[in-house]
Amino acid sequence: KQEVTQIPAALSVPEGENLVLNCSFTDSAIYNLQWFRQDPGKGLTSLLLIQSSQREQTSGRLNASLDKSSGRSTLYIAASQPGDSATYLCAVRSGSSNTGKLIFGQGTTLQVKP
Amino acid sequence: DGGITQSPKYLFRKEGQNVTLSCEQNLNHDAMYWYRQDPGQGLRLIYYSQIVNDFQKGDIAEGYSVSREKKESFPLTVTSAQKNPTAFYLCASSMLAGMGPGELFFGEGSRLTVL
Repeated sequence: KQEVTQIPAALSVPEGENLVLNCSFTDSAIYNLQWFRQDPGKGLTSLLLIQSSQREQTSGRLNASLDKSSGRSTLYIAASQPGDSATYLCAVRSGSSNTGKLIFGQGTTLQVKP
Repeated sequence: DGGITQSPKYLFRKEGQNVTLSCEQNLNHDAMYWYRQDPGQGLRLIYYSQIVNDFQKGDIAEGYSVSREKKESFPLTVTSAQKNPTAFYLCASSMLAGMGPGELFFGEGSRLTVL
């Protein structure tokens, strides 16, 4: 059974710092992994999606990496800003197709202090 | 603009009442999903549908019902049989054509409170 873990549950950093959020999963047979951002009381916004054949994806100040063999993904945020404060969730799609079950981690709540 | 619209945003219900949450998408996505989010428990799948007139139970389907009469719409009914319905409900959709990524997109959520 696939399990997804995000550590730490909460993180507080000063503005301008580069930071890394972690996501680990127990079964390496995945189709893809998706990172989301959630602001309080809002829905999830897709940030990056990495296919199982890819090692990383980049969007602006965000870079997500994937290491299937070790069951890990990281989300790197460069030059953090107060507007980056939110909860970040990763979700792993198991199996060999885009119909596989999506398993979510419980998220890391990030606070960037001005 | 393309997206997923959930309504209502806030809903209050008395015990014993059924309520229906609306989810509409204009992304031409094949699959639609309902998730429940509780503090400290992450997102849990309630129901999903990959094609019109077909849907499957997720991990916590008891006390809920859905329909998929149109590709664009996937309403969720929270019945009186649901023991603890107070939660934040999220609708999502994805494209399934071919071997695409199946990237998941979410609506803004509906917060249900039972009085």
